Amino acid sequence: QLVESGGGLVQPGRSLRLSCAASGFTFDDYAMHWVRQVPGKGLEWVCSISWNSGNRHYADSVRGRFTISRDNAKGSLHLQMDSLRADDTALYYCAKDNDWGSLGYHFDCWGHGTLVTVSS
Amino acid sequence: EIVLTQSPGTLSLSPGERATLTCRASQSVTSSFLAWYQQKPGQAPRLLIFGASTRATGIPARFSGSGSGTDFTLTISRLEPEDFAVYYCQQYGGSPYTFGQGTKVEIK
Repeated sequence: QLVESGGGLVQPGRSLRLSCAASGFTFDDYAMHWVRQVPGKGLEWVCSISWNSGNRHYADSVRGRFTISRDNAKGSLHLQMDSLRADDTALYYCAKDNDWGSLGYHFDCWGHGTLVTVSS
Repeated sequence: EIVLTQSPGTLSLSPGERATLTCRASQSVTSSFLAWYQQKPGQAPRLLIFGASTRATGIPARFSGSGSGTDFTLTISRLEPEDFAVYYCQQYGGSPYTFGQGTKVEIK
């Protein structure tokens, strides 16, 4: 129901844009999120966007460098990542909010993830 | 930032046994906004419990959550073979929405 794409190997300081295609639910009824995980390590919330894009929240570690957006007509979520650093290396998951119509910040559906590696 | 500390780090149990996992927060979690997730190798996390004690859709009754304030517990009443995995707690009462470091439940 959630399929991420766009990951890959990128040099420090460069940019990358991740996408997530949603299906099987009414996309514009739910807030959406990005969560990342360094392979073999724990989970870190990255950012969130409300159903109508009116509210966007970011972790301090990415604020000012990452931008979350969505296209409700296409059922897609995006993450524009600029000024990438080595510590941004992780598996990036797209996740659906469990709460209908609001930013609940807990996640009931996850994609399989897309791996971002930042290295020279 | 609320820091979540999970214990134990690893729990070695046999199928059929009871598992008790703990999540302690560095400060009180607003309105018991605490969730539990299960993650198996090579898979995305799966929501088990939200609101500290409400099972997510399709989650078996052997999974239960309890607690409030700073102390929360996930209990698996009788372990099934498919329950051996890593479990994470997450608080969503205030930004940043932090996760614990995980508890691995392994077969003894």
